[in-house]
Amino acid sequence: GEDVEQSLFLSVREGDSSVINCTYTDSSSTYLYWYKQEPGAGLQLLTYIFSNMDMKQDQRLTVLLNKKDKHLSLRIADTQTGDSAIYFCAESKGGNEKLTFGTGTRLTIIP
Amino acid sequence: DSGVTQTPKHLITATGQRVTLRCSPRSGDLSVYWYQQSLDQGLQFLIQYYNGEERAKGNILERFSAQQFPDLHSELNLSSLELGDSALYFCASRGRGGNTIYFGEGSWLTVV
Repeated sequence: GEDVEQSLFLSVREGDSSVINCTYTDSSSTYLYWYKQEPGAGLQLLTYIFSNMDMKQDQRLTVLLNKKDKHLSLRIADTQTGDSAIYFCAESKGGNEKLTFGTGTRLTIIP
Repeated sequence: DSGVTQTPKHLITATGQRVTLRCSPRSGDLSVYWYQQSLDQGLQFLIQYYNGEERAKGNILERFSAQQFPDLHSELNLSSLELGDSALYFCASRGRGGNTIYFGEGSWLTVV
């Protein structure tokens, strides 16, 4: 079955790196996504990675995928106050399949 | 701006009533997904349409229904509303042959 798990909370000092972790159970997951939700706002697609990749970098964001352990992480370098949000991990089998979301991790920035 | 448009943004209605939420996908996108976000259930997949046809069904109640029209916009109909239906309802669209799924800003439904 499909199950995606995340820690509920993470607090990081401004300027440090944030690492948000996610585990999934479905080995047929083909695409893994990170979405950001700011208070009162919609879901913003940050990045996604194909399951045959180990890493993807996009400016301050680095996604690492360990397919063997079914573990995905999102690293945000030089975390800023504007990064405060809930971050959702999601998986899809690709093609035209739906997304299955984790519970979301609330990132709080400490000044 | 994701290009996915949802209306209304906010809606307050009474128990027992019926509402319709509307979604316009990104131009040219054929797939539309509906999700419900509530505090206790998180983000739950409701239903997916592809080019007018129902493609997949998730945790959608029998009181809820949806459709996708020839112009590709979609509507989610919620009837016999209960307090527990209060939630943020998202629509998303996926591009033809693409791997990116973009979400609208959501429709906040409050049932009183």
